[in-house]
Amino acid sequence: KQEVTQIPAALSVPEGENLVLNCSFTDSAIYNLQWFRQDPGKGLTSLLLIQSSQREQTSGRLNASLDKSSGRSTLYIAASQPGDSATYLCAVPGFGNTGKLIFGQGTTLQVKP
Amino acid sequence: EPEVTQTPSHQVTQMGQEVILRCVPISNHLYFYWYRQILGQKVEFLVSFYNNEISEKSEIFDDQFSVERPDGSNFTLKIRSTKLEDSAMYFCASTKDVDNEQFFGPGTRLTVL
Repeated sequence: KQEVTQIPAALSVPEGENLVLNCSFTDSAIYNLQWFRQDPGKGLTSLLLIQSSQREQTSGRLNASLDKSSGRSTLYIAASQPGDSATYLCAVPGFGNTGKLIFGQGTTLQVKP
Repeated sequence: EPEVTQTPSHQVTQMGQEVILRCVPISNHLYFYWYRQILGQKVEFLVSFYNNEISEKSEIFDDQFSVERPDGSNFTLKIRSTKLEDSAMYFCASTKDVDNEQFFGPGTRLTVL
């Protein structure tokens, strides 16, 4: 059974810092991994989808890497801003070919001005 | 930019009542999902739907739950007899294909009293 873990659970950094969020998964037989952002009480906004054939995917100040063999992904945020404060979730496809996603519990990021 | 929409944003109901949560997926998407998030917990998969039938359902999705795509645009989740533990945020998601990016709606907050 696929399980997804995110470390740390919470992170507080001063504005301008570069930071790394970690995601690990137990079953490496995945075809992609998706990172989401969730603001309090809101929906999930897709940030990046990284396919299993890719090692990295970039969008603006965000860079996601994927190492299937070790069951890990990282989300790198460059030059953090207060507007980046949110919960960041990673998700991988579950067993079977229906596309269902298995989520981690998220990392709650606070960027202080 | 196309987006997934959900109505209502907040639904309050009495225990034992039926509720219908509505979603309009992105128009050219073929795969549809419902997830839920109990306050403070992980996002959990409920059900996937493709080609007008359920392709997979979780253990949570028991006989009290049903889904329907009554026309070419709406996708609904019905809970026949709500329980206190059904209180959660319910998210609808859609995608073009199982290995593509999933897009989530803003959610419906269901409160069962």
